[in-house]
Amino acid sequence: NAGVTQTPKFQVLKTGQSMTLQCAQDMNHNSMYWYRQDPGMGLRLIYYSASEGTTDKGEVPNGYNVSRLNKREFSLRLESAAPSQTSVYFCASTLAYSTNEQFFGPGTRLTVL
Amino acid sequence: GENVEQHPSTLSVQEGDSAVIKCTYSDSASNYFPWYKQELGKRPQLIIDIRSNVGEKKDQRIAVTLNKTAKHFSLHITETQPEDSAVYFCAAPSGGGADGLTFGKGTHLIIQP
Repeated sequence: NAGVTQTPKFQVLKTGQSMTLQCAQDMNHNSMYWYRQDPGMGLRLIYYSASEGTTDKGEVPNGYNVSRLNKREFSLRLESAAPSQTSVYFCASTLAYSTNEQFFGPGTRLTVL
Repeated sequence: GENVEQHPSTLSVQEGDSAVIKCTYSDSASNYFPWYKQELGKRPQLIIDIRSNVGEKKDQRIAVTLNKTAKHFSLHITETQPEDSAVYFCAAPSGGGADGLTFGKGTHLIIQP
């Protein structure tokens, strides 16, 4: 099993460009999450999907959109990238709800110039 | 929503000594408290967790204690080894109707040889 996978690993964008970060899990998990990690800030929740067909905002959703394409895949889209979105983005999944172990993907390091 | 405070931000200990990292949380309804370890450039990985119906949990050299009355929980690492050097994050469910975790800002643990 690959666990949680993310693409791409690295990305450089110019201000105003758009892109989609992809995430997939093969553990038959119901819940999936997107976090961003900035130096000294820990991980902050952007969006989550408690089950296939549902998505909800987390702590820092502004400037992002998500799609739960099916049970396996959960994508994060930046419509018009800004330098403040320079960060490392982690996708995570869990069997159900946040009161179970979350498994993280390897992360995407995004730089917006 | 939940607020998690973590101390200290940096902890340096001699190899073989013990290390203690402390976290406080704000939501008395929180019932699950995981600890994640993140090595440089890698993804966070769960090392131990505790639920609110127990006061202490041990796994070899690692233990977590929970004081529900005071709303704080701590990570204890005994007989520290060089491979324990990493950033450690505590977390609690985000609450407020939201799924996902709220993380502390992390503790950089340095093991001095």
